[in-house]
Amino acid sequence: DAKTTQPNSMESNEEEPVHLPCNHSTISGTDYIHWYRQLPSQGPEYVIHGLTSNVNNRMASLAIAEDRKSSTLILHRATLRDAAVYYCIPGAGSYQLTFGKGTKLSVIP
Amino acid sequence: NAGVMQNPRHLVRRRGQEARLRCSPMKGHSHVYWYRQLPEEGLKFMVYLQKENIIDESGMPKERFSAEFPKEGPSILRIQQVVRGDSAAYFCASSGPGQVSETEAFFGQGTRLTVV
Repeated sequence: DAKTTQPNSMESNEEEPVHLPCNHSTISGTDYIHWYRQLPSQGPEYVIHGLTSNVNNRMASLAIAEDRKSSTLILHRATLRDAAVYYCIPGAGSYQLTFGKGTKLSVIP
Repeated sequence: NAGVMQNPRHLVRRRGQEARLRCSPMKGHSHVYWYRQLPEEGLKFMVYLQKENIIDESGMPKERFSAEFPKEGPSILRIQQVVRGDSAAYFCASSGPGQVSETEAFFGQGTRLTVV
């Protein structure tokens, strides 16, 4: 499994953009980069995933470095409901997801 | 379209009893996964099943734990002779047809097992 490094915690003001970084320097060439988040007392929720190109969906954008050793999850306008632990998970598939400690995002009203 | 349904949400068992956790995947999903989250830790993969088949159980403890996904009905995670160290949140996830590398997993709300 690729080793990941994420900040333990980050803060954002409500309605401002948030950039959540992740380093995954040992990622293999075929591993997708998955992002999930977990709200308090709930199961993880899929956010986005990508392989090489930047990706957008209704929840977020994913910017992947050209060498694929890092990626950034972008929430365009943080809301209070976005307060959660965000996990960056390089891996081969939707199973055997390896959840590390993630980044705890706090959103300030 | 209901999401992944797990029951019960909370389960209390005395040491030595059996715990049975149920998971109904999303409609149309044929892949089921079980994860365990110990207090203050990240989720750890346990087992991956398809209907009537265990595909990967590399994360399952060797003793007392078993999982099944029968042809009819929910997937069951069974823990025999529970001990205090089994106290955790157990999450089930499912994913749809297609390459597992290209599909996302949908998680249930979890079952919180407390062993007293």
